[in-house]
Amino acid sequence: QVQLQESGPGLVKPSGTLSLTCAVSGDSISSNWWSWVRQPPGKGPEWIGEIYHSGRTYYNPSLKSRVNISIDKSKKQFSLRLSSVTAADTALYYCARIAGRETTFGVITKRGYFDLWGRGTLVSVSS
Amino acid sequence: QAVLTQPSSLSASPGASASLTCTLRSGIDVGAYRIYWYQQKPGSPPQYLLNYKSESDNHQGSGVPSRFSGSNDASANAGMLLISGLQSEDEADYYCMIWHGSAYVFGTGTKVTVL
Repeated sequence: QVQLQESGPGLVKPSGTLSLTCAVSGDSISSNWWSWVRQPPGKGPEWIGEIYHSGRTYYNPSLKSRVNISIDKSKKQFSLRLSSVTAADTALYYCARIAGRETTFGVITKRGYFDLWGRGTLVSVSS
Repeated sequence: QAVLTQPSSLSASPGASASLTCTLRSGIDVGAYRIYWYQQKPGSPPQYLLNYKSESDNHQGSGVPSRFSGSNDASANAGMLLISGLQSEDEADYYCMIWHGSAYVFGTGTKVTVL
């Protein structure tokens, strides 16, 4: 059974860096794209970015200057770093697997959807 | 103006049909986009339901009942999620999503209440 499990500090100080890790079990981390999605309390989800086992990444333009997503295939995990956080970054952070993606000669022709999610981890930004 | 706008709430009786709309911002043509739908229950992550681009190009999520279906309303520039034969277990938040502007964008969400 494939599972994703987020881990990391639940409290980050303003202007600090949020760091989370997602452990992948029951699936090859080299066979899919992996993503981070967050959801502020009472609001809708927001896509943060994604990574492939090759290290190729895509980031939400609205967060791109502050986001870094990396992958460690040997540990079967991928990570999120979000810098210069403010209270607006307080949210439930999910890692997710992307399915249904199609590529032609390395070009993504169908983006796909999030078919498997972790349970999420709440990160609060407060002093 | 949000890229994707959904009614904040919808109520319907068990056994009835519910039609959820996802209106695309002016200037974004619904026919050019694949719209993904998710269901989210309290305390759980969103769950993928289906996606719809056209009658010949759509996908039902694994294990998702056929009473969930997608369509487009070109006149309203909106994607639609139809839930037929509403059940109490369908009470949840529903989000639409598209890929736009180099990002996945989620809609504002509709809370469905089964009376």
